[in-house]
Amino acid sequence: GEDVEQSLFLSVREGDSSVINCTYTDSSSTYLYWYKQEPGAGLQLLTYIFSNMDMKQDQRLTVLLNKKDKHLSLRIADTQTGDSAIYFCAETYNQGGKLIFGQGTELSVKP
Amino acid sequence: EAGVAQSPRYKIIEKRQSVAFWCNPISGHATLYWYQQILGQGPKLLIQFQNNGVVDDSQLPKDRFSAERLKGVDSTLKIQPAKLEDSAVYLCASSSGLSSAKNIQYFGAGTRLSVL
Repeated sequence: GEDVEQSLFLSVREGDSSVINCTYTDSSSTYLYWYKQEPGAGLQLLTYIFSNMDMKQDQRLTVLLNKKDKHLSLRIADTQTGDSAIYFCAETYNQGGKLIFGQGTELSVKP
Repeated sequence: EAGVAQSPRYKIIEKRQSVAFWCNPISGHATLYWYQQILGQGPKLLIQFQNNGVVDDSQLPKDRFSAERLKGVDSTLKIQPAKLEDSAVYLCASSSGLSSAKNIQYFGAGTRLSVL
């Protein structure tokens, strides 16, 4: 079945690293995404990873994928107050198909 | 490049009334999606269009929800009659529709619906 789980809250200090975790159940997922949602705004794509990759790095963002455990993580280095938002992981079986979202992790960055 | 445009941004109606939302996707994007995001949850797909044809509407409550994309560009989503549980943010997204790594979904700011 289709199910994506995330922890609901994460609080960090400015300058620390943040790690947001996600687990998914469907092994046929081929693409996994991280979106950011600020209050009153739509979803902004941060990064994505194909299922044949283990890691992807993009500036302050590092995505790790453990296919065996169906676990995805997003690490934000040097977290800033502007990173405070809700982060969603999402999966899909094919490019262009529907996205299955987790319930979102609210990241709070304290100065 | 202009993003996905949605209107209105906010709508307040009473139950049993009708409401319509409008979406203009990114220019040239063949695929258009409507998602419903209830407070505290992730978005859930209601309907997906490829050009002006429906690809997936399995989660659309067809007794009250309808959507169209007549010319393969703009789309409208309608609820008639609305129920209290329809209170949510309705997000429109579009993608190029190509089978490539660039087929990413881009989201609009959404329409926040409150049903009283």
